[in-house]
Amino acid sequence: AQTVTQSQPEMSVQEAETVTLSCTYDTSESDYYLFWYKQPPSRQMILVIRQEAYKQQNATENRFSVNFQKAAKSFSLKISDSQLGDAAMYFCAYRSGFGSQGNLIFGKGTKLSVKP
Amino acid sequence: DARVTQTPRHKVTEMGQEVTMRCQPILGHNTVFWYRQTMMQGLELLAYFRNRAPLDDSGMPKDRFSAEMPDATLATLKIQPSEPRDSAVYFCASGSGALRGTDTQYFGPGTRLTVL
Repeated sequence: AQTVTQSQPEMSVQEAETVTLSCTYDTSESDYYLFWYKQPPSRQMILVIRQEAYKQQNATENRFSVNFQKAAKSFSLKISDSQLGDAAMYFCAYRSGFGSQGNLIFGKGTKLSVKP
Repeated sequence: DARVTQTPRHKVTEMGQEVTMRCQPILGHNTVFWYRQTMMQGLELLAYFRNRAPLDDSGMPKDRFSAEMPDATLATLKIQPSEPRDSAVYFCASGSGALRGTDTQYFGPGTRLTVL
């Protein structure tokens, strides 16, 4: 069975600085997808960024980028120029690839605080 | 602006009462997922539908939980009878169901259930 581990329950960053959230996963599959979701206090789950395992290039979305290390099974999220609105819980998630059921397997989350 | 809607947003009920949560997936999406979020267990899958057919409900306590999709625009999750340990946030998510590619799941705002 696949598992996702986020080893940092809480992180803190100064506004305008850069922070990296860690995520590791365990799988024997070769075809899969990885996601980072943001959950602000409103509880809404918001997709931040996604990565296809078959792509070597790291995904980027504006201030958000990932460091995908397939051999190490690592998928960290870097937030640049942190803003107060980035404060939230961040969840790393795994989804099996072709022909799979498609449900997400989540890590326990990292609570990010942004200091003004 | 297509989005997943869920009702009610909040529900407080007494132990033993029936609870029904509703979800309207994004128009055109053919996969629907029910997830439950608790402090202890995090986010976990309860049920999964594809083209309205239930494909996996192994995460649900069968004796008290039931999930259905009466039509393509409505998914329901019912708890009967409810227990205090069912207190959680219940999320519905929908996806396009693509077997290839990053079939992103879009989440509803969740239903916060409190069972007294």
